Formats: sequence, C-alpha cells, structure tokens
Amino acid sequence: DVKVTQSSRYLVKRTGEKVFLECVQDMDHENMFWYRQDPGLGLRLIYFSYDVKMKEKGDIPEGYSVSREKKERFSLILESASTNQTSMYLCASSLNDWRGAYNEQFFGPGTRLTVL
Amino acid sequence: QKEVEQNSGPLSVPEGAIASLNCTYSDRGSQSFFWYRQYSGKSPELIMFIYSNGDKEDGRFTAQLNKASQYVSLLIRDSQPSDSATYLCAVGGSNYKLTFGKGTLLTVNP
Repeated sequence: DVKVTQSSRYLVKRTGEKVFLECVQDMDHENMFWYRQDPGLGLRLIYFSYDVKMKEKGDIPEGYSVSREKKERFSLILESASTNQTSMYLCASSLNDWRGAYNEQFFGPGTRLTVL
Repeated sequence: QKEVEQNSGPLSVPEGAIASLNCTYSDRGSQSFFWYRQYSGKSPELIMFIYSNGDKEDGRFTAQLNKASQYVSLLIRDSQPSDSATYLCAVGGSNYKLTFGKGTLLTVNP
C-alpha cells in the first residue's frame, strides 16, 4: 500500500515564525503535491513537484515555498507565518508514468496548523 | 480556470437508500475522474475512478461518466451510516494535477 506520512498532525506556531511541514512517501512516486483545505474553499493546490529539485506553483503559492532534495521527501515552508495561514495542510503523491493523467493521488493524514 | 462544481449539500438519505452525488466540470479536455471520501478531520481517500463514458461498478458504488454533458456522478446503494462523509469529485487533465470540487456532505440516517 502507498503510504504518505506528514511530520505532524497538529502544529501551533506564532505569527512571524518560519514553519516547516514535511511529507514523505514510500512508493517511489515522482509527483508530490501540497494542498491546503479550508471550510467552504475546498482543496487548493499550493505547489507541486514532478521530480527532484523541480517545482511548479499551484493556485495559491504566495507566502509559501517548497523544497524537494530527495524523491521521497517534499517540504512546505512558511517563511513568515501569518494568521491567515491557519489551515489543514495535505500532502499527496502520484506516479508519473505512461498512464499520465490517469494516476490517482494518495494523501497523507494532514497537518492542522494554527498560527497565533 | 478549470472548475469542478458539486452541490455542497448536506445530502441526507435514510439507511438502505441510494445516495446520488453529482459533479460537473468545465474543461472538455479532462481525461480522468476520481471520487474521494473524506471523513471529518481525516484526509481524502480514493474510492472510485472512471475514465470512459458509461458506468463503472465497485461493490455498492457506481460511478457514471458522460463526457458530452461534462457530468460525473457517484451512486451509493444500500447506504450505511458509515458512508456519512464529504465526497470530493476530482478531475484530471493532460498534466498530473487534479482539480477538486468543494465536496458534498452526505449524511445517512439510521
């Protein structure tokens, strides 16, 4: 089974702090994604990566950066946390093979981040 | 901007009934269609996918796709209280990204 893990289930940070959220997958997936999920807004893509050291902005990249130094690990960085970044953060991964768009995404358990 | 629309609900059905969840999408080039179930406080889990027009059945779940109408649906037969969750429709295109709807909250009443 695909396993996607995230470093924390719950996290509380102060405004202005630098925050690292880490995601690890064990199925050798090329694609990794970071989403945030807010009531009434659904899942919104922050960044995704289709290979080591490769990244692309999603729909809401402002205030975030990412790092992918190893294939299995994709980190989301909040350079200076703000209260409007309080949210559920979800990491996902998928294969990048001949099936292309037919590859489903598998999600980690999520990190509930609160910025005070 | 690709859009995926779902009725937010809540959709309430009695136990044993058929629950029908609907989704429309804007991008005619969409190739893949997924249904995820998300329990409160948990992450989404994949329950069905469909790529071709028509019906696809898996146990109590049936996914239906009509590309001409840009419409995809999920039927849940013999609904159980454990089916109470938010159901997310996701649509894939030529790249590896999925566009998600905001989800429909389903409540199955015992």
